[in-house]
Amino acid sequence: GAVVSQHPSRVICKSGTSVKIECRSLDFQATTMFWYRQFPKQSLMLMATSNEGSKATYEQGVEKDKFLINHASLTLSTLTVTSAHPEDSSFYICSAVGGERNTIYFGEGSWLTVV
Amino acid sequence: QKEVEQNSGPLSVPEGAIASLNCTYSDRGSQSFFWYRQYSGKSPELIMFIYSNGDKEDGRFTAQLNKASQYVSLLIRDSQPSDSATYLCAVTRTGGGNKLTFGTGTQLKVEL
Repeated sequence: GAVVSQHPSRVICKSGTSVKIECRSLDFQATTMFWYRQFPKQSLMLMATSNEGSKATYEQGVEKDKFLINHASLTLSTLTVTSAHPEDSSFYICSAVGGERNTIYFGEGSWLTVV
Repeated sequence: QKEVEQNSGPLSVPEGAIASLNCTYSDRGSQSFFWYRQYSGKSPELIMFIYSNGDKEDGRFTAQLNKASQYVSLLIRDSQPSDSATYLCAVTRTGGGNKLTFGTGTQLKVEL
């Protein structure tokens, strides 16, 4: 089946630094990828839609200058959390559309801890 | 009113029983309906999707959709302890691309 890979799975960074998370579709091309954030015991909240070759579309309340998204190719989207703060600590999950009937597949997720 | 509502649970069922998970949605423009399973600390895993009214069966899982009542459910037959997880209902809207709107999930506990 379709596989979406995220890297790193866990990252700890210092407050004020930036961290990049990669999302790759391994066996299909994905013109659209999505980035979600999930705080403990809460549901997934869509942050932005990443479109290959164009600017990402951000959901209301998500700072586009803080969460930089680059969809450089049909198999890779990156999320960079800039000037990270402890409140940005969360589980970040990407998804990609592809495979059977354009099904939505999720990456394994990336745990970000800002100290 | 939340766009997608689920009872947070926990829902406890004995091993071998049928677990019934329910989800309601508010937007009549909702087009596709998904059930994901999420283990603690892990990413969601797709179980089933359903587009049309009625039942759709896949192994031990049956999804049921009633668009008139804006209701979608997931039945798990012969529940196993490994089914213990949080089950997330998600919907996409007509014209919304593949954006998923999630419910908060129902925690299922299958007890020995």
